[in-house]
Amino acid sequence: DAGVIQSPRHEVTEMGQEVTLRCKPISGHNSLFWYRQTMMRGLELLIYFNNNVPIDDSGMPEDRFSAKMPNASFSTLKIQPSEPRDSAVYFCASSLSSRGLGYTFGSGTRLTVV
Amino acid sequence: AQTVTQSQPEMSVQEAETVTLSCTYDTSESDYYLFWYKQPPSRQMILVIRQEAYKQQNATENRFSVNFQKAAKSFSLKISDSQLGDAAMYFCAYRGGGADGLTFGKGTHLIIQP
Repeated sequence: DAGVIQSPRHEVTEMGQEVTLRCKPISGHNSLFWYRQTMMRGLELLIYFNNNVPIDDSGMPEDRFSAKMPNASFSTLKIQPSEPRDSAVYFCASSLSSRGLGYTFGSGTRLTVV
Repeated sequence: AQTVTQSQPEMSVQEAETVTLSCTYDTSESDYYLFWYKQPPSRQMILVIRQEAYKQQNATENRFSVNFQKAAKSFSLKISDSQLGDAAMYFCAYRGGGADGLTFGKGTHLIIQP
């Protein structure tokens, strides 16, 4: 089991550029979550998918953020245009739909927007 | 909305001693799940232990155990025989029975003194 795979591990970009973060969930998991972690706000749920369908995107901060899950093994989180305040660690996590189980997190992508 | 509160930003303990990390939560639900996650400097989020609210018995995983007080809405984590590798941020998390997202506390930074 390779776990949840995120890429890139680090990303440095200039303000105004488009950024795409990628995630491959654990095979067989049918729920996928995107979280953002900052010192000020802690861990925040941005959006989650069940069976590839977006269920709740109320945590997405602005229209500059979008997420897709075209199939069960791949998801992207895109920021366009990026701003310095988007700098954070972005985590992807997956789980089985059973709520008693915890999530398995990826290693995160540290995004720095300069 | 559910909230999770960790009142100890930082805790320090001597190696081999026992330490307890506090967590309280606010919810109107009767069916829910609680988790403790560990985040070492590598930033990987690691599930330490989980508790189902309908179970009265406190969960235990080797040196890690919880004290779940449902009426008081308290969910503390006890680490026995602390080891240097236990040094990390510890996050308490809540998952409601009717929702899929995890709500996290702000975390407690645990320092292990050799």
